[in-house]
Amino acid sequence: EAAVTQSPRNKVAVTGGKVTLSCNQTNNHNNMYWYRQDTGHGLRLIHYSYGAGSTEKGDIPDGYKASRPSQENFSLILELATPSQTSVYFCASGAGQRLFFGHGTKLSVL
Amino acid sequence: GDSVTQTEGQVTVSESKSLIINCTYSTTSIAYPNLFWYVRYPGEGLQLLLKVITAGQKGSSRGFEATYNKETTSFHLQKASVQESDSAVYYCALDTNAYKVIFGKGTHLHVLP
Repeated sequence: EAAVTQSPRNKVAVTGGKVTLSCNQTNNHNNMYWYRQDTGHGLRLIHYSYGAGSTEKGDIPDGYKASRPSQENFSLILELATPSQTSVYFCASGAGQRLFFGHGTKLSVL
Repeated sequence: GDSVTQTEGQVTVSESKSLIINCTYSTTSIAYPNLFWYVRYPGEGLQLLLKVITAGQKGSSRGFEATYNKETTSFHLQKASVQESDSAVYYCALDTNAYKVIFGKGTHLHVLP
């Protein structure tokens, strides 16, 4: 079964601080994604990548950067975290028409 | 841009009754999108329930069915007889270029025993 691992599982950050969320996949999938989930909004696409070295903006990229240094790893970076970025973040990898999700990272920005 | 609309945030159904969860989509692509239903059971990660990549076709899994209707741009999820174990959050999704996958807001299904 495909595996997507996110770290950390929980994170508390201070406003203005830098936060890095990491995602690792062992599926050898080309595509990887970062979503955030908020009540009333469902899953919203922040950034995605279709291979090592590539990153693309999703629907809500403002305030976020992404990095795909290798096929396996895809990071989401909040350079200056704000309370509005408090959310649950999900990473996924995909090949063809199916996505495999991690268990999520709960981020609280105080 | 592309979008997916799920009108019900929460649906409550008694066990053994029928279910329909509505999903409509909009796309600016000239190509027909691929359509999906994902599910998150309590305590578990989000996982694919079913997919349909050809307009007019029906997908099915675990007793659930969804038909890709390009005329009404709909992909409603149906089940004839729900069970308590079906209680979960269901997400409708689409992709148009095999890279970007867009999700609806999700529908929380509550099945009463």
